[in-house]
Amino acid sequence: SQTIHQWPATLVQPVGSPLSLECTVEGTSNPNLYWYRQAAGRGLQLLFYSVGIGQISSEVPQNLSASRPQDRQFILSSKKLLLSDSGFYLCAWRAGGAQYFGPGTRLLVL
Amino acid sequence: EDKVVQSPLSLVVHEGDTVTLNCSYEVTNFRSLLWYKQEKKAPTFLFMLTSSGIEKKSGRLSSILDKKELFSILNITATQTGDSAVYLCAVEKASGTYKYIFGTGTRLKVLA
Repeated sequence: SQTIHQWPATLVQPVGSPLSLECTVEGTSNPNLYWYRQAAGRGLQLLFYSVGIGQISSEVPQNLSASRPQDRQFILSSKKLLLSDSGFYLCAWRAGGAQYFGPGTRLLVL
Repeated sequence: EDKVVQSPLSLVVHEGDTVTLNCSYEVTNFRSLLWYKQEKKAPTFLFMLTSSGIEKKSGRLSSILDKKELFSILNITATQTGDSAVYLCAVEKASGTYKYIFGTGTRLKVLA
């Protein structure tokens, strides 16, 4: 069966520090992968999506970036975090037309 | 601009009540509509709807799509406190990018 992993589960970082969040998928090959951010009490904002290794599409201009170094690995990064980067970061993959989410990372930038 | 609008924004009911959640959309190149339940964690998948008039059902939850009027409803019968959550609606675009447009959700609270 397919599973999706994200880590860490929670993260507290100071403003200006770097960020690296990792997402990996098991049990499938060449999945479409997505990064979303959900601010407190808000909806899901699509940040990046990828249809294959090295193929990244950005939805919202910001200080975040994404990379897909391996087929089943999707990484979200920032060189310098802003207060506004706080939120719930969700990785998702597409299977059978539906989208399934990883457990998420709660990021608090202080 | 593509958009997905959910109503009501929030809802408080008592156990045993039946609720109907609404999702309307204006999305170019519609492929499917999906419903999710989100408690204090990641959203979990409920239904995917692609054809008008065909009800999807799982236990006390059911959903139907109207592609002519561009909306879907999610019904929950005999509500329980465990149904308390935010319910999200999303539309997948039929383009090569497989992008999903999410609504902001309906927050349901079921009182014992």
